[in-house]
Amino acid sequence: QKEVEQNSGPLSVPEGAIASLNCTYSDRGSQSFFWYRQYSGKSPELIMFIYSNGDKEDGRFTAQLNKASQYVSLLIRDSQPSDSATYLCAVTRTGNQFYFGTGTSLTVIP
Amino acid sequence: SQTIHQWPATLVQPVGSPLSLECTVEGTSNPNLYWYRQAAGRGLQLLFYSVGIGQISSEVPQNLSASRPQDRQFILSSKKLLLSDSGFYLCAWSGLEMESLDSTVGYEQYFGPGTRLTVT
Repeated sequence: QKEVEQNSGPLSVPEGAIASLNCTYSDRGSQSFFWYRQYSGKSPELIMFIYSNGDKEDGRFTAQLNKASQYVSLLIRDSQPSDSATYLCAVTRTGNQFYFGTGTSLTVIP
Repeated sequence: SQTIHQWPATLVQPVGSPLSLECTVEGTSNPNLYWYRQAAGRGLQLLFYSVGIGQISSEVPQNLSASRPQDRQFILSSKKLLLSDSGFYLCAWSGLEMESLDSTVGYEQYFGPGTRLTVT
């Protein structure tokens, strides 16, 4: 079983819609949870982190964490073509090792 | 604020040649440092991580090695490159951060710009 699992996609949404990305993890002791955005040919950029159960909002992005169900999600409201990228989910228990999903490819159609 | 540098940005090397990639971090002390590799269209593969000077943990046995001669410097090396070493090499650092909204404490990891290595 992989530490972190994501649907590889591709996920396509029309401009202005809500994009929903999901991630599950296997280690119940995981403490910190992350979403990275990676444009083609570029390095991953941290866009959201969440440590506590519930929702965390930052602009058009909302991260949701449910430790009991071991899932993390990312909602992107009012999706823009510039949001088209691969989104990586990551988790860590101790801060020494981080486990990444293989990423979900998102395309926002103008 | 913290900044992470990697160089070179791109590199083309023949099979059998040596490799040295360097990563430095500014604006933080005693960070955890990491080397990842991302092959074309693939996920991130953790190669090495370090929790302090001279402390290196290797995740994947291969012809690569890492060193941390200074607190904020991390070097990836190889004596003889293989074709399979081609990829996008990413350095990252992590540290303990506090979430200001509810004062919870967690970790964050940030990546450098990467080095694209092509072995010919």
